[in-house]
Amino acid sequence: AQKVTQAQTEISVVEKEDVTLDCVYETRDTTYYLFWYKQPPSGELVFLIRRNSFDEQNEISGRYSWNFQKSTSSFNFTITASQVVDSAVYFCALSEARSSASKIIFGSGTRLSIRP
Amino acid sequence: EAGVAQSPRYKIIEKRQSVAFWCNPISGHATLYWYQQILGQGPKLLIQFQNNGVVDDSQLPKDRFSAERLKGVDSTLKIQPAKLEDSAVYLCASSLGENIQYFGAGTRLSVL
Repeated sequence: AQKVTQAQTEISVVEKEDVTLDCVYETRDTTYYLFWYKQPPSGELVFLIRRNSFDEQNEISGRYSWNFQKSTSSFNFTITASQVVDSAVYFCALSEARSSASKIIFGSGTRLSIRP
Repeated sequence: EAGVAQSPRYKIIEKRQSVAFWCNPISGHATLYWYQQILGQGPKLLIQFQNNGVVDDSQLPKDRFSAERLKGVDSTLKIQPAKLEDSAVYLCASSLGENIQYFGAGTRLSVL
């Protein structure tokens, strides 16, 4: 069975600090996708990144970076120089890659608060 | 490009009443999903449509929940009768087929 664990329920940091959100997943599939979504107070889930299980290269997009380690089944997300606008709930998610419309399994989310 | 549209944004009903939610996916997206998100939890898939056919409804409480996607575009999700534990945000998402789902803002349901 597939499972996504986000052990950090809430994190609070001061603006400009770096923060890492942890994600650990379980799957028996050899091919799968990993995702991060952001849910601001408005409620809409915003897609941030999708990672294929065959691609373990880390990715950087502006202040955001993702560290995918298959050996530890982790897909961690780091925000560098955090800003108040980064305050949101962040979800890590997993889907099989057998079809182009596979079900996504979400973690329980990490609520990130950035204090000015 | 317009995003996924959902209405209403908020709904308050009493238990045993009926309620319906509407979703208009991104134009051209063949796959449509309905999720239930209980406070403090991640979204949980209720039903997935591919065009107007059901792909997965294994977690839909079929004794009270129903959904349809006539003509393969808009979709409605209905709860009849509602229970207190149905209080949640109901999210609609759509996908073009690249495993990336795009979400609407959701409908927040409170059952009193």
